[in-house]
Amino acid sequence: AQTVTQSQPEMSVQEAETVTLSCTYDTSESDYYLFWYKQPPSRQMILVIRQEAYKQQNATENRFSVNFQKAAKSFSLKISDSQLGDAAMYFCAYQDSWGKLQFGAGTQVVVTP
Amino acid sequence: EPEVTQTPSHQVTQMGQEVILRCVPISNHLYFYWYRQILGQKVEFLVSFYNNEISEKSEIFDDQFSVERPDGSNFTLKIRSTKLEDSAMYFCASSKGQGAINQPQHFGDGTRLSIL
Repeated sequence: AQTVTQSQPEMSVQEAETVTLSCTYDTSESDYYLFWYKQPPSRQMILVIRQEAYKQQNATENRFSVNFQKAAKSFSLKISDSQLGDAAMYFCAYQDSWGKLQFGAGTQVVVTP
Repeated sequence: EPEVTQTPSHQVTQMGQEVILRCVPISNHLYFYWYRQILGQKVEFLVSFYNNEISEKSEIFDDQFSVERPDGSNFTLKIRSTKLEDSAMYFCASSKGQGAINQPQHFGDGTRLSIL
């Protein structure tokens, strides 16, 4: 069974600074997808970025980028130039070939002015 | 941009009562999912649905739960006899493709279910 681990319950960052959220996963599959979802206090689930396991190039989406290390089964999210609106719970998720998403426990990002 | 819509946004139900949560997936999507999130916990997979049948379900999705696509647009989750521990946020999601073919899942805003 696959597991997703987020070891940081909370991370604090100052506005305009950079923060990195860690995520590791365990799988025996070779073909899968990884995602970061953002959940603000409204509790919506908003897709931030995704990475295909077969791609070596790290995904980027504006101020968000990932560091995907397939051999280490690591998938960290970097938020650059942090903004107050980035404050939210961030979930790392693994998607298997059947389509279901498995989520980590989440990391709360606090942005201070 | 098309989105997944869920109704109601908040449902309050007495323990033991039946509840139906409704979702309208994005119109050209073929794969549908339900997830739940107990307050303060992670999001958990409940069930996936494709071609009018369940593709996969988790151990949470016991006989008290059922899903249905009664017409071409709605996708419902029914809980037959609710328990206190069913109190959670329930998310519906849909995608064009599945897994390795992958298209990302788009989530609705969720239904907050409170069991009294």
